[in-house]
Amino acid sequence: AQSVTQLDSQVPVFEEAPVELRCNYSSSVSVYLFWYVQYPNQGLQLLLKYLSGSTLVKGINGFEAEFNKSQTSFHLRKPSVHISDTAEYFCAVTETGANNLFFGTGTRLTVIP
Amino acid sequence: DAGVIQSPRHEVTEMGQEVTLRCKPISGHDYLFWYRQTMMRGLELLIYFNNNVPIDDSGMPEDRFSAKMPNASFSTLKIQPSEPRDSAVYFCASRSHHRGRNEAFFGQGTRLTVV
Repeated sequence: AQSVTQLDSQVPVFEEAPVELRCNYSSSVSVYLFWYVQYPNQGLQLLLKYLSGSTLVKGINGFEAEFNKSQTSFHLRKPSVHISDTAEYFCAVTETGANNLFFGTGTRLTVIP
Repeated sequence: DAGVIQSPRHEVTEMGQEVTLRCKPISGHDYLFWYRQTMMRGLELLIYFNNNVPIDDSGMPEDRFSAKMPNASFSTLKIQPSEPRDSAVYFCASRSHHRGRNEAFFGQGTRLTVV
């Protein structure tokens, strides 16, 4: 069965500092991976996705993530965060050929001025 | 496209009352998902449809919950009778089956409070 683990429930970081939000998954087959962002009182918005090809994926708002199959990870990174990046970030996985999306428990990123 | 549209945005109801949440998926999307978000359990998949047919409802917590999709542009999630523990944010999402478009698009959610 597939699952997603986001080890950090909260990550505080100073403005303009780099950040990494960790995501690990488990699956016995190949997967598609996603990062979503949720701003307060909003729905989830796609940041980026990995389907195949290059393991380094670039998304919106300057975020990127790297798929590491051997470590079953898909960590999200940004070299310099802004106040506006304060939000909840969700990692999600679906097995190729499957239809449902499984989410991690989320990481709350707080950017400190 | 206006995106996935959910209504109402907020619902406050008394325990025992029937609650109906509504969703209009993105036109052309053939998958529709209902999720529930709580602090304790995070995002849970309740049920999903493909071409208006329920495919997997194993996430529906109890018989008090039911979902329908009478046509490609409308779905409802009903709770009858509602209980305080049903208080949560309910999200609807839709997706296309086309290759390369595997991401789900989410609505703004309905915040349900059962008192």
